[in-house]
Amino acid sequence: AQSVTQLDSHVSVSEGTPVLLRCNYSSSYSPSLFWYVQHPNKGLQLLLKYTSAATLVKGINGFEAEFKKSETSFHLTKPSAHMSDAAEYFCVVSDKYAGTASKLTFGTGTRLQVTL
Amino acid sequence: GAVVSQHPSWVICKSGTSVKIECRSLDFQATTMFWYRQFPKQSLMLMATSNEGSKATYEQGVEKDKFLINHASLTLSTLTVTSAHPEDSSFYICSARIPGGVNTEAFFGQGTRLTVV
Repeated sequence: AQSVTQLDSHVSVSEGTPVLLRCNYSSSYSPSLFWYVQHPNKGLQLLLKYTSAATLVKGINGFEAEFKKSETSFHLTKPSAHMSDAAEYFCVVSDKYAGTASKLTFGTGTRLQVTL
Repeated sequence: GAVVSQHPSWVICKSGTSVKIECRSLDFQATTMFWYRQFPKQSLMLMATSNEGSKATYEQGVEKDKFLINHASLTLSTLTVTSAHPEDSSFYICSARIPGGVNTEAFFGQGTRLTVV
């Protein structure tokens, strides 16, 4: 079984300040981990994914995440928030070796608000 | 990156009518596609796994006869909401993963906002 816990349902930061969105996972096998972003009434866009090649993963738009097995965490960070970053963010886990039919397990989402 | 196209992006229908939503993988073949439902300010709920050339696999609690899924080709899956009612109003999203590797991410359609009046 696998699960994802996003610790904050809502995060508010000022523009230009760092962003931290927290995610903890549980998996009985080697997990694949992803962060997706969703803007209102839109589909989901991949920010980054953990492939086991490197624990620090860099994604698009300046986001990055660090896989910490000992803490079962995959927190998303960005050094400086931009107004356009305001959106819903989902942490997602799947079985790494289960192939394309494997199900994704979604966290409950974190709404990021960016203020002036 | 790969593209998954979903159509229509929004639809309004009357109670009792049926609505079809299409999900296409534009530049890759998808043997498996997934259909999700998302309620306002909530996460995505997997409804069913669509399998090319065979029956879809539905999640517990999802009515098979109400949400008909057809995956007739490697690039197209359709979700038909039959005899729609206002409680079916929601945001529906499809996704697919590129076959042939491990660790591949899912690509999502733009979503369809269904409003039943």
